[in-house]
Amino acid sequence: DAGVIQSPRHEVTEMGQEVTLRCKPISGHNSLFWYRQTMMRGLELLIYFNNNVPIDDSGMPEDRFSAKMPNASFSTLKIQPSEPRDSAVYFCASSFAFRSSYNSPLHFGNGTRLTVT
Amino acid sequence: AQSVAQPEDQVNVAEGNPLTVKCTYSVSGNPYLFWYVQYPNRGLQFLLKYITGDNLVKGSYGFEAEFNKSQTSFHLKKPSALVSDSALYFCAVILPRGGSYIPTFGRGTSLIVHP
Repeated sequence: DAGVIQSPRHEVTEMGQEVTLRCKPISGHNSLFWYRQTMMRGLELLIYFNNNVPIDDSGMPEDRFSAKMPNASFSTLKIQPSEPRDSAVYFCASSFAFRSSYNSPLHFGNGTRLTVT
Repeated sequence: AQSVAQPEDQVNVAEGNPLTVKCTYSVSGNPYLFWYVQYPNRGLQFLLKYITGDNLVKGSYGFEAEFNKSQTSFHLKKPSALVSDSALYFCAVILPRGGSYIPTFGRGTSLIVHP
């Protein structure tokens, strides 16, 4: 198993541009999480999906952020327009959730380091 | 409020010495607890978890953790530290959110093992 795959690994863009981050979860996992990591705020949960349906997006900082999961093997996190304060490492993680309880470990991708200038 | 805390931002230990990385929690009911490790430029990796049963949980890379219900703690331990154990360590607890129960992470503790 290749694990959770994220692309790109690094993204440098200018303020105002649209940024799309991509994630391929582990096959068979039914839950997907997007996190953001910064020195100041640590690891923040942005949104999570169960069976491709967004369950809680209360962590999405602003309307500039949106996430989709069109099928079980692909998810995107989009920022439009991007701002310098969005600079961070964005992680995708997947797991198998039984009913509404996520007791199985999360499997993380290696992240996308986003720099907005 | 239900939460998880890692009281130390950084832990320093000499190679060969035992190490402890602390985690405390506040939850209603029985806690489900996890430890993860993050190496530079990598995602978090699962080390071990406590769901029920024996209070001493053994995990990857020689790590173990002790669940203490009376002290609401789940400290990560290793008898003899290696320089390669230097990394960022996260404790997580399952908490209710959005109608489900999902992992909530502490702020992380940087472990530095000196040669």
